Amino acid sequence: SYDLTQPPSVSVSPGQTASITCSGDNLEDKYVYWYQQRPGHSPVLVISLDTRRPSGIPERFSGSNSGNTATLTISGTQALDEADYYCQTWDSNTGIFGGGTRLTVL
Amino acid sequence: QVQLVESGGGVVQPGKPLTLSCVASGFIFSSYSMHWVRQAPGKGLEWVAVISFDETHEYYAGSVKGRFTISRDNSRNRMSLQMSSLRPEDTGVYYCARGSRSYNTEFDYWGQGTPVTVSS
Repeated sequence: SYDLTQPPSVSVSPGQTASITCSGDNLEDKYVYWYQQRPGHSPVLVISLDTRRPSGIPERFSGSNSGNTATLTISGTQALDEADYYCQTWDSNTGIFGGGTRLTVL
Repeated sequence: QVQLVESGGGVVQPGKPLTLSCVASGFIFSSYSMHWVRQAPGKGLEWVAVISFDETHEYYAGSVKGRFTISRDNSRNRMSLQMSSLRPEDTGVYYCARGSRSYNTEFDYWGQGTPVTVSS
C-alpha cells in the first residue's frame, strides 16, 4: 500500500515561514491536497492539485510537489494558523492521508 | 452555501450494525462524488469510501471493505454509509465530504461529523 509521511510537529515564530513536508514514492506523479484542521473543527481544504489555493484561502498558503516530497508553505505565519495539517493523495482508487503535522506558532 | 449534515452516529456494540446519513444542500448533489472520512479519537484522518456522482463506482478502504456499504439517493440529496460487523477500531468521528465530478480529487467541503463509538 502507498504511504505518505509527515513530521509529527513543526514549530514557527509568528511572522516567519513554516514548511510542512509530505513524502511518498514518486509523489510528484500524483496530485497532492492539503487540509487544515483546527481543534474541535472539521478539516478545511487549503491547497488543491499541488499548488492551487481554493477561494477564500489566504495568499500566505502555498504548495509545491517535486520528486518524492510535497511541501505546504505558510508565509508570515499567524497565530490562527496553529492547527493540524494533513496531506492527501490517491493511489489505486484509494484515498491516502498523511499522518498529520501539528503546527505550533510560538 | 454548501452544507453537509451528518446524522446517525451513536454507541453500538461490537458486531452490530449502524447506518450513517449525510444530507446535502446548496449545490447540485447529483454532479459530485461523495466521500466518508473518519477520525479516531486523538488520531489522524482516514478515508473510508467514495461513491461516484452517478452511483456507477464505489471504492472502499481496505479496513472496511466487505463490512461497509456506501450509497446515495440523488433525488433526495442524501448519502448513506451502512456499517456492519462493527469493531472497536471503527470508533471515531465520521465526516461526509464532497468530492468533484471525478472521484479521485480533493474533498472541498466537509460536514461537522457524527461520532460513532463501538463498545460493549
